[in-house]
Amino acid sequence: SQQGEEDPQALSIQEGENATMNCSYKTSINNLQWYRQNSGRGLVHLILIRSNEREKHSGRLRVTLDTSKKSSSLLITASRAADTASYFCATDAVEETSGSRLTFGEGTQLTVNP
Amino acid sequence: GAGVSQTPSNKVTEKGKYVELRCDPISGHTALYWYRQSLGQGPEFLIYFQGTGAADDSGLPNDRFFAVRPEGSVSTLKIQRTERGDSAVYLCASSLVGNTDTQYFGPGTRLTVL
Repeated sequence: SQQGEEDPQALSIQEGENATMNCSYKTSINNLQWYRQNSGRGLVHLILIRSNEREKHSGRLRVTLDTSKKSSSLLITASRAADTASYFCATDAVEETSGSRLTFGEGTQLTVNP
Repeated sequence: GAGVSQTPSNKVTEKGKYVELRCDPISGHTALYWYRQSLGQGPEFLIYFQGTGAADDSGLPNDRFFAVRPEGSVSTLKIQRTERGDSAVYLCASSLVGNTDTQYFGPGTRLTVL
C-alpha cells in the first residue's frame, strides 16, 4: 500500500462545522506535512509537524501526530466555503538519506457548503 | 519574495514529440524537486536536485525522462518521444536546504499528449 493514505476520500460539510481528515503511513518519518490544492494545480503548504511533536496549531488548523499508530489528523475548525479543496498529507521517510522526497496520499476532497 | 514559478502553464503536444518544462525555484533554495500528478491522485516523486546535481532520480519512470539544473537554480524537465500516458500535471517544488525542510510548490505545468 501507499505511504500517506488519507481518509475519508471525500467529505462534505456545512459552513461553520469542523472538518477532520486522517492520514496513515507505513514507515518511520522525519516529518509529516499537510498541503491544500485547489483545482488540481499548485499545492499550498499548510503545516509541518516533526516526528518528535504531537500537536501543532496554525490559525484554524490543528494537526496531531501519533507516531506509535503512524497516523495524523488535520482538523479545520469553523470551516468556510473557501476551504473547499483537496487536502494531502505527505511524509518523508527516515530511510531517505539523500533529501526529503515526499510521498503523498491520494487526498481528501473537502466540500464546504455555504 | 516570489514563489516557485513554472512555464508553460499548459502544454499540448502530439505523441512522439519532445517537450521541455521549466521551473524557477525560490531564490536561494538549494533543493529542487519534480513531481508528477495524474488526475485524482496525489503527486508522485520524480527527481531531486541538491545544487546542480541530481541527488535522487529514482522516481523517473524511464529513460525518456531527464532533468537538468546546470547552474543550481532553474531546472528543466525534458521528456522525449512523449506518450499519451505522460499526460499529467508536472509540479516543481523547492526548499531551502533539503532534508526535512518545507517544500514550496509551483503552480504546475499541465501536459497533454494527444
